[in-house]
Amino acid sequence: NAGVMQNPRHLVRRRGQEARLRCSPMKGHSHVYWYRQLPEEGLKFMVYLQKENIIDESGMPKERFSAEFPKEGPSILRIQQVVRGDSAAYFCASSFAGNQPQHFGDGTRLSIL
Amino acid sequence: GQQLNQSPQSMFIQEGEDVSMNCTSSSIFNTWLWYKQDPGEGPVLLIALYKAGELTSNGRLTAQFGITRKDSFLNISASIPSDVGIYFCAGQSTDSWGKLQFGAGTQVVVTP
Repeated sequence: NAGVMQNPRHLVRRRGQEARLRCSPMKGHSHVYWYRQLPEEGLKFMVYLQKENIIDESGMPKERFSAEFPKEGPSILRIQQVVRGDSAAYFCASSFAGNQPQHFGDGTRLSIL
Repeated sequence: GQQLNQSPQSMFIQEGEDVSMNCTSSSIFNTWLWYKQDPGEGPVLLIALYKAGELTSNGRLTAQFGITRKDSFLNISASIPSDVGIYFCAGQSTDSWGKLQFGAGTQVVVTP
């Protein structure tokens, strides 16, 4: 499967723990995006990264959330000290360039107990 | 900030009927995209539009980029049961490359 791969598909955390969500882009894509989706809503942009650089983080909460896309390996969305309101589906997308169509993975469903 | 309105919120149609949905934005987009999302999965790209007035088809799907660059519509002709799902429009503006703004979605239910 040459599509965008996200893992885990489901993640359960207790309040105060850390959540790490991983995303491997499609082969040949060096642009990665993270979105959050609440039930019965559209996706909300969080952050746009290109290898080792954050291009646009205007949708990221100011605290507890961070993202990286290292030279080697997958992109990571990290949520520290999770709270109930962090429960959502988090989707990663990738593209060949910033103005090219974004292709999405199947998401990580994060549940906070 | 930008507002993107998608309508209708839901549609209940019979198999064989045509479906039409649209999105309007408070500001100009230079790219419109249409996605379909099935339960438990990620959005799948259906059609991408890059020029005002552009009309593009993908099988039974047809989408248009509005002349004002502030709207787009998607038509599905002769619907079949597998057309069930949530359809999202998404727009991208030149002052925020990479940042897609999504509509709230149109849920399509097809009855035999």
